[in-house]
Amino acid sequence: GESVGLHLPTLSVQEGDNSIINCAYSNSASDYFIWYKQESGKGPQFIIDIRSNMDKRQGQRVTVLLNKTVKHLSLQIAATQPGDSAVYFCAESSDNAGNMLTFGGGTRLMVKP
Amino acid sequence: EPEVTQTPSHQVTQMGQEVILRCVPISNHLYFYWYRQILGQKVEFLVSFYNNEISEKSEIFDDQFSVERPDGSNFTLKIRSTKLEDSAMYFCASQSPGITQYFGPGTRLTVL
Repeated sequence: GESVGLHLPTLSVQEGDNSIINCAYSNSASDYFIWYKQESGKGPQFIIDIRSNMDKRQGQRVTVLLNKTVKHLSLQIAATQPGDSAVYFCAESSDNAGNMLTFGGGTRLMVKP
Repeated sequence: EPEVTQTPSHQVTQMGQEVILRCVPISNHLYFYWYRQILGQKVEFLVSFYNNEISEKSEIFDDQFSVERPDGSNFTLKIRSTKLEDSAMYFCASQSPGITQYFGPGTRLTVL
């Protein structure tokens, strides 16, 4: 069936380094993608989103890249900080309000001081 | 900054009992959702709600589940007869057209 999945379950980086978290999706009809951050005991927190008519979008210290050809999504975090340690989920949907999100399995980012 | 709130933060119940999980969505949002996350697993969609009716539901959302928006602010998820496998974190989310879904902090449901 259609699914959104992640390549790496755990990513360990040194404080100050850049982090890259990857996600593959299989639903070619997906046109809206979101990255969420989840800290222990908390709900998913929106980080950044991108629509399928774009291939790159930048926020504060974060960049999302979308490669529709290979159905791949990545989240880049610049100058990773200890506060970035969390589980990161990609999610996909069609770009209409009211549509369910399909989440990937999550990648745990561990930042070493 | 407005946020989604949920109560209780932790609910412990006996198998077969009814539970009601409560959510207060962001005030000007129109779309409401429930998701669940079994420990160590990914977040799964349960149901979406718009204009006072269910717009979409997953296979998980069987006859034991129901949702309600009893007034202008609350959005509830009821599980009529809880099973052990209902133990999970339950997240409420809300959305306004043109923006993404914002999630609450979750309710941890433990069924004994």
